[in-house]
Amino acid sequence: EAGVTQSPTHLIKTRGQQATLRCSPISGHTSVYWYQQALGLGLQFLLWYDEGEERNRGNFPPRFSGRQFPNYSSELNVNALELEDSALYLCASSLLRQVNTGELFFGEGSRLTVL
Amino acid sequence: AQSVTQLGSHVSVSEGALVLLRCNYSSSVPPYLFWYVQYPNQGLQLLLKYTTGATLVKGINGFEAEFKKSETSFHLTKPSAHMSDAAEYFCAVTDYSSASKIIFGSGTRLSIRP
Repeated sequence: EAGVTQSPTHLIKTRGQQATLRCSPISGHTSVYWYQQALGLGLQFLLWYDEGEERNRGNFPPRFSGRQFPNYSSELNVNALELEDSALYLCASSLLRQVNTGELFFGEGSRLTVL
Repeated sequence: AQSVTQLGSHVSVSEGALVLLRCNYSSSVPPYLFWYVQYPNQGLQLLLKYTTGATLVKGINGFEAEFKKSETSFHLTKPSAHMSDAAEYFCAVTDYSSASKIIFGSGTRLSIRP
């Protein structure tokens, strides 16, 4: 069974540009989470989607947005890139009923570098 | 709201030595507790979890953790460290009042000395 897949693996952008990151969850999982892992800052929760709806978002500005498609894959968009957006972006998936038990399945991440 | 504290952002042990990574949570209501491991250039994977029942939980790769309600702790141990254990370890707890429903600690980087 395929795990959570993310693309691209690496992405280099310049300040002010837009970045789009993609995530395919494990087959059958309906929930997708996005986390930002910047150097020295641990995991910061960005967004949670389930069944195509945004369920919750973390404490990030509106230029961080995303969506979930009917096949449960998800996209994270970051507009007006700033240098501090440089980070590893992790996607995780779970069954909705697993959300309350906290078990998440992570992809390997997309590393975004903003120059 | 829950909070998770991992004592020591970096722990270094010799190969073959005991590994002890500390995790404390804040709530008096026992949550579900987890340890995740992140190997270099990879995502996180679940190492072990406590939900209910036995307070000593065994995970993959010889790791185990003990839930101590009186101490609000969930420390991770391994009797004998191996070079392949070098990674970042994250403690996590469920928090139904939070946006993400799960709160991660800040992580502890484990280094193994030959």
